[in-house]
Amino acid sequence: VVMTQTPLSSPVTLGQPASISCRSSQSLVYSDGNTYLSWLQQRPGQPPRLLIYRISTRFSGVPDRFSGSGAGTDFTLKISRVEAEDVGVYYCMQASHFPWTFGQGTKVEIK
Amino acid sequence: QVQLVESGGGLVESGGSLRLSCAASGFTFSAYYMAWIRQAPGKGLEWVSYISSSGSNTHYADSVEGRFTISRDNAQNSLYLQMNNLRAEDTALYYCARDGGATGTSGLDYWGQGTLVTVSS
Repeated sequence: VVMTQTPLSSPVTLGQPASISCRSSQSLVYSDGNTYLSWLQQRPGQPPRLLIYRISTRFSGVPDRFSGSGAGTDFTLKISRVEAEDVGVYYCMQASHFPWTFGQGTKVEIK
Repeated sequence: QVQLVESGGGLVESGGSLRLSCAASGFTFSAYYMAWIRQAPGKGLEWVSYISSSGSNTHYADSVEGRFTISRDNAQNSLYLQMNNLRAEDTALYYCARDGGATGTSGLDYWGQGTLVTVSS
């Protein structure tokens, strides 16, 4: 399954929203009815960190300015108001089909 | 708290072998599926392999199938990746990560800091 993210770079003004799109080459609905699409954040020099799983469920401790949505093959991560600590690369990842695959990554930076 | 600590990386010649380890603590290791993910310098994330909680079920990326073997020792709370016939394109930071399925979190919820593998050609 090929995961395609857009944009690949997103310069954002502090306090403004940001949105990242992720499209899969086939449906991510698994045989159990769940969609195993997650979003991860990788800050500079750090390992990735889980933000969102199963399309829209925030992981423990993730601020509510992060939200996920979508279905089937089209998914979106939104940051309602970008803060300085949100700078980094964001990846979507599918675990509905082997091999698991990641998007290319979207770099979020401050204008 | 959940901790994952990778080790075993280093510099190896093309065609050589390495065995990576991941020491887990702070959770019931035997209840969780685990995975290895790698990141080439300046590049994105690439899923490498996955193993079920008992170790009976494994999956691999096409790029490593037949060369890498994932395994685990639940008594030692450890995950392993045996890497044979290494190539220059295997050069990367290798992360181990926990699949949070046992707690209902369907994602890679905890990651180690990674261990660097460099393959010289």
